[in-house]
Amino acid sequence: SQTIHQWPATLVQPVGSPLSLECTVEGTSNPNLYWYRQAAGRGLQLLFYSVGIGQISSEVPQNLSASRPQDRQFILSSKKLLLSDSGFYLCAWSIKGNQPQHFGDGTRLSIL
Amino acid sequence: QKEVEQNSGPLSVPEGAIASLNCTYSDRGSQSFFWYRQYSGKSPELIMFIYSNGDKEDGRFTAQLNKASQYVSLLIRDSQPSDSATYLCAVKDAGGTSYGKLTFGQGTILTVHP
Repeated sequence: SQTIHQWPATLVQPVGSPLSLECTVEGTSNPNLYWYRQAAGRGLQLLFYSVGIGQISSEVPQNLSASRPQDRQFILSSKKLLLSDSGFYLCAWSIKGNQPQHFGDGTRLSIL
Repeated sequence: QKEVEQNSGPLSVPEGAIASLNCTYSDRGSQSFFWYRQYSGKSPELIMFIYSNGDKEDGRFTAQLNKASQYVSLLIRDSQPSDSATYLCAVKDAGGTSYGKLTFGQGTILTVHP
């Protein structure tokens, strides 16, 4: 069966510091991968998606970037965090086509 | 701008009752619809998906889809306190891409009281 791992679970970072969040999927090949952010009391906002290695699409302009160095690895990064980057970051995967997305446990990021 | 709308609630039902959660969407060409449950502080968990008009049942959950009215709902029978959570409706974009982009509603908070 497929599993998705996301870490760390919680992160507290100062403003201006860099960020790297990692997500890996097991048990499937060539999945679609997604990064979402959920601000407190808000809905899910799609940040990036990827349909294959090295293929990244950005949904909204922002202070973040994403990379997919391996088939089942998805990384969310920032060079300098802003206060507004605080939130609950979720990685998700899906099989190609008309299939549901499945979420990791998420990373709660607080910027001080 | 594609939109998915849900009543934010909170929806409060007594234990054992039927909870009815509703969702409307703006993209008439959408073909796939999903319900996720999100407990406080946790990530969303898929509970139902539906692709065709009509009803789809899975245990205590029934998803209902009416594409003509652009309306999808989730019924929870015999509601339990453990069903208390935020329920997110998600709609897959109708575009011909393979990346499966979902548009999420803001979620409905459900509280089941003993």
